[in-house]
Amino acid sequence: DTGVSQDPRHKITKRGQNVTFRCDPISEHNRLYWYRQTLGQGPEFLTYFQNEAQLEKSRLLSDRFSAERPKGSFSTLEIQRTEQGDSAMYLCASSPGPGLAVRETQYFGPGTRLLVL
Amino acid sequence: EDQVTQSPEALRLQEGESSSLNCSYTVSGLRGLFWYRQDPGKGPEFLFTLYSAGEEKEKERLKATLTKKESFLHITAPKPEDSATYLCAFSRGETSGSRLTFGEGTQLTVNP
Repeated sequence: DTGVSQDPRHKITKRGQNVTFRCDPISEHNRLYWYRQTLGQGPEFLTYFQNEAQLEKSRLLSDRFSAERPKGSFSTLEIQRTEQGDSAMYLCASSPGPGLAVRETQYFGPGTRLLVL
Repeated sequence: EDQVTQSPEALRLQEGESSSLNCSYTVSGLRGLFWYRQDPGKGPEFLFTLYSAGEEKEKERLKATLTKKESFLHITAPKPEDSATYLCAFSRGETSGSRLTFGEGTQLTVNP
């Protein structure tokens, strides 16, 4: 059973550098979500895709953040000119959706922990 | 404004001591109420989805219930391996792209 995978699992970078994270969803899941989680908080929604279309972006997603899902399979999240406030766990989730409510259950990957020095 | 509040923030139990975690929510047009378990340094692991008031679901020592304003996660005779952070989240469905809005979680510690 192949779940959601994310790469890398950990990333340390210096302020001002660009970083890119990859997410591979569960096979045949149409929807892919990105969340950010800081210590002691619940995950916060960033953006989501249905197939290759990016359908919604949170106000949390500043202009320095960009996400793509070019062929409706894996997705990348890029952060340009990183800031110390970007330090967090970046989580990816996928769901079969849309349609029946049961298809909206989201399954999460292990996350990428980013530390900006 | 849609929001979800979990209590307590932290809970410490002895092995075998049953208890409940609370998730209070305010949302117009609830599509689903979700419970996840999260171990340190890992992503959330799906536990339950509840869709309507009165619904209950069980898995091993866990039982989730839903009313119009709250959801409870009941833990019966917990074991140390149940120690984790339990997250509650809701979805408003297609009106918001099925995004999940999470509470801050309850950190559960079960001592042997």
